Amino acid sequence: GDSVTQTEGLVTLTEGLPVMLNCTYQTAYSTFLFWYVQHLNEAPKLLLKSSTDNKRTEHQGFHATLHKSSSSFHLQKSSAQLSDSALYYCALTGGNYKPTFGKGTSLVVHP
Amino acid sequence: EAAVTQSPRNKVTVTGGNVTLSCRQTNSHNYMYWYRQDTGHGLRLIHYSYGAGNLQIGDVPDGYKATRTTQEDFFLLLELASPSQTSLYFCASSDFRDWVEQYFGPGTRLTVL
Repeated sequence: GDSVTQTEGLVTLTEGLPVMLNCTYQTAYSTFLFWYVQHLNEAPKLLLKSSTDNKRTEHQGFHATLHKSSSSFHLQKSSAQLSDSALYYCALTGGNYKPTFGKGTSLVVHP
Repeated sequence: EAAVTQSPRNKVTVTGGNVTLSCRQTNSHNYMYWYRQDTGHGLRLIHYSYGAGNLQIGDVPDGYKATRTTQEDFFLLLELASPSQTSLYFCASSDFRDWVEQYFGPGTRLTVL
């Protein structure tokens, strides 16, 4: 079946340093990849999405590029902000329009 | 913007009790989903539905039933609740024309004592 593997657990960064959260996936179906962000006591919401190979997608200072050759969709940002502290999920839509989520990466940005 | 509401927002019950969690979406989306969220496991899909009367089995269905009564309403039923079902439950909706992007409700925190 489909699977998504993310940088696991906790990532701690100093404000101003670059962010990179890894995401790799496996699916036998059409590839629709997503990053969702969940701030404390809130629901997850969409951050980025892509289905186009080798095309950079950007939103709110974050960017990701879908690479089908390596089955990757890493999330990046050039300079972390305190407000980026949140839980990040990588997800894909697979067969029968069934979503599959990774286990999530908790990002903590400190001054 | 998609609107998904859930009720109740918090629920406490005892082992063996019956619980129904409700979800309503008002954007005519085809698909609706129930997830549970637990530290270390992320979001796990319990059940989902393509439309009224349809039910698909998710990845962690044991101990849960679900019913989609209308396009707007999707219910999650725990008929004999156990402490292992203590969790934060999210409902979501989506449309296949939008790559099945998930629009989440605010969540229901369930505690089974």
